[in-house]
This record gives sequence, C-alpha cells and structure tokens, in this order.
Amino acid sequence: DAGVTQSPTHLIKTRGQQVTLRCSPISGHKSVSWYQQVLGQGPQFIFQYYEKEERGRGNFPDRFSARQFPNYSSELNVNALLLGDSALYLCASSSVFRARRTDTQYFGPGTRLTVL
Amino acid sequence: EDQVTQSPEALRLQEGESSSLNCSYTVSGLRGLFWYRQDPGKGPEFLFTLYSAGEEKEKERLKATLTKKESFLHITAPKPEDSATYLCAVQANSGGSNYKLTFGKGTLLTVNP
Repeated sequence: DAGVTQSPTHLIKTRGQQVTLRCSPISGHKSVSWYQQVLGQGPQFIFQYYEKEERGRGNFPDRFSARQFPNYSSELNVNALLLGDSALYLCASSSVFRARRTDTQYFGPGTRLTVL
Repeated sequence: EDQVTQSPEALRLQEGESSSLNCSYTVSGLRGLFWYRQDPGKGPEFLFTLYSAGEEKEKERLKATLTKKESFLHITAPKPEDSATYLCAVQANSGGSNYKLTFGKGTLLTVNP
C-alpha cells in the first residue's frame, strides 16, 4: 500500500520567491497536517486540514497558507521566502479527525526546501 | 502550553548494550503520546501510541512505557540498524478542533558494532 507521498523531494529557491509543496495522503485518510522541521529540532506544527476545512494553525506568519482538495490531497504555500524558511517540510495523514481515541499521524518523506 | 523534553540529546551504545530514552511532558490533558523513529533526511516512522499511565507496548527490541509525567523507550540488545533519531510527541485534549502533535527535539541514538 502506498504511504504518504510528497513532491517535490528537493527544492532550491531564492529569497522573496514563492513555493508550493504538495502532499497526497494514505488512501482513505481524510486529515492532513503540515509540519516544519529545522535541522536538529523536532517537527513544528503548521496546519491541519480535515474535509477541506482548516482545523488548526500553528504559530507561523501569514506568509504560510495551505488548502485541501476534494480528493484529500493538500498544498502548502509559502510566500516571500526568507532564509529561515529553509527546512524539511513534512506532511502527515490520519484516517479520522475526531475519535474516542486519537488517530495516528503517518508522515511522508518530506520536501527539503533550501532558500538562498 | 504543551511541552516535551527528551533526554539524553545523544546516546552511543555498543551492540547488545541495553538502555532507555526519556520523554518528559507537560500537557493540558493527554490524548496520546507517540514515539517515532527518524532516519537522516527522511520522514518520521511511527513506532507506538500510548494513551494512559501504566500502558506498555513492545515491538521487536523496543518497549515503550508511560507514566503521568514521562515516557520511556527501552531498547534491549540494540543492533547497528537501530541507529536513528527517536522522537517523542504528545497530542492534547484541547477541547477544540486542533489535534496537533507537539514534538521534543529527539534523541540521536548511535549503536556501534
């Protein structure tokens, strides 16, 4: 079975540019979350989407935005890139948003973004 | 605010030398505690979910335990292929609609042959 897929694998941009990262969840999963992981740190929460609606937003500036499509895939957009945006961007999917017990989030391989 | 602290930051073991990794947390109502393994340049790989104090889960050489304030990941007779960064994360009963994971910085485990 295919896991979470992300594209592209690597990306190099210059300051001020805009970037779009893509994520396809595990088949049957309806919730997608985005995380930023800077080298040497744990992942930091950016967004969570369920059924195409934003259900949570982390402490990131408005330059970061996202959306979820009817097929549950998702895009993360970052405008006006800064050097500090260089990181591994991770997408995670889970099958349900609300349950008696929490549902595990499964991560994709990530997109490595380098801002020069 | 939810917080997760992992120790040690780095751990070197000889093959077969058992040890434990620690994850201390503060959260406003724990919904779940997660352990992930992450290899360099790759996404985290799910290992365990623990829900309540006293719960234990095992997988091959790994065993995770949970108390009200911390979790331990015990590694028995590790092999070089167990070398990776181990991440701990918590999910809180926020009462709202945000079920984000809050991660620690991880423990970098190196197992020498």
